[in-house]
Amino acid sequence: AQKVTQAQTEISVVEKEDVTLDCVYETRDTTYYLFWYKQPPSGELVFLIRRNSFDEQNEISGRYSWNFQKSTSSFNFTITASQVVDSAVYFCALSETQAGAQKLVFGQGTRLTINP
Amino acid sequence: EADIYQTPRYLVIGTGKKITLECSQTMGHDKMYWYQQDPGMELHLIHYSYGVNSTEKGDLSSESTVSRIRTEHFPLTLESARPSHTSQYLCASSEFGYEQYFGPGTRLTVT
Repeated sequence: AQKVTQAQTEISVVEKEDVTLDCVYETRDTTYYLFWYKQPPSGELVFLIRRNSFDEQNEISGRYSWNFQKSTSSFNFTITASQVVDSAVYFCALSETQAGAQKLVFGQGTRLTINP
Repeated sequence: EADIYQTPRYLVIGTGKKITLECSQTMGHDKMYWYQQDPGMELHLIHYSYGVNSTEKGDLSSESTVSRIRTEHFPLTLESARPSHTSQYLCASSEFGYEQYFGPGTRLTVT
């Protein structure tokens, strides 16, 4: 069975610090997709990024960067120069294909608090 | 990016009432999903649909039911609400089964 583990339940840092959110996954599939979502206090989940299992290139988008390493089954997320608006719960997820409907397996989430 | 809507956003209702949570998307996505999220943050898939007239139960057993008569509409119904149903319900849709796009959620409180 597929599994996603976000070992950090809560992280609290001071604004402008860099912070890395860890994500470790388990799967037997050779083709799979990994995702990160952000859930601000308003409640909706906002899609941030998708990576497929064949593309291990790191990705950078502004202050956000993602490090995908198949060798360690990890897909970590780093926020550089954190801001108060980054405060949210962040979820890592793994796609699971069952009979045509790709389902997402979510990690437990990491609550990130950025203090001014 | 999908436009996906959920109503109501907040609902407080008494035990035993029948409720329907609405979910609609305007992007023509075939796949739609319902998740339940408790204050502990973890998301649990309770229903999903491949397309019109298709519904499947998710990983977490739920007393709710769903229907998919139109592509854009995926309502969730509780025939008799109980305090144990108090939770946040999130609806999502997906075009090719990759990333899912989520609605704003319905926070349900059953008293």
